Amino acid sequence: AQSVTQLDSHVSVSEGTPVLLRCNYSSSYSPSLFWYVQHPNKGLQLLLKYTSAATLVKGINGFEAEFKKSETSFHLTKPSAHMSDAAEYFCVVSDRWRDDKIIFGKGTRLHILP
Amino acid sequence: DGGITQSPKYLFRKEGQNVTLSCEQNLNHDAMYWYRQDPGQGLRLIYYSQIVNDFQKGDIAEGYSVSREKKESFPLTVTSAQKNPTAFYLCASSIGASVGNEQFFGPGTRLTVL
Repeated sequence: AQSVTQLDSHVSVSEGTPVLLRCNYSSSYSPSLFWYVQHPNKGLQLLLKYTSAATLVKGINGFEAEFKKSETSFHLTKPSAHMSDAAEYFCVVSDRWRDDKIIFGKGTRLHILP
Repeated sequence: DGGITQSPKYLFRKEGQNVTLSCEQNLNHDAMYWYRQDPGQGLRLIYYSQIVNDFQKGDIAEGYSVSREKKESFPLTVTSAQKNPTAFYLCASSIGASVGNEQFFGPGTRLTVL
């Protein structure tokens, strides 16, 4: 069975410094992995997804994530934080060969300090 | 513009009343989903539909009902049997039912029981 763990419920960084949001997953088969962002009182927007091609995935707004099978991780990074990055981020896992489950992490709230 | 619309944005309900949340998409997507979001709990799947006139229960279907009479529309009814309905409700769609497909989200409806 799949599961996903976002290791931090809150992360605070200063504007202009790097961002790291951590996600570990477990999957019996070949996972698809996603990162979504949610601004307050809004819907979710896809940042990036991994579906078995390149392990380093580039997304929108300068974000990227690296799929590390040996570490079962899919951490989200950005070299330089911007105030507009303040939001909640969700890591999502699904098994490509079992079309019955999509699992959302509990979310990480990113705070940007001026 | 293509996308998903949800209405109303805010909804207030008295205890014992049924209410219906609207979700419409013009993306020509086959699959549609309803999620409930509570603080610190991520998203939980209520119902999903892979095709018109068919839908399946998600993880927390009790106290909710849906219909899928048209491809574009997937309304959610919160019944009086749902004991704790105050939450943020998100509708999503995807091009097909495969869990590797990106989900597109609506802006959400915040339901408050008075």
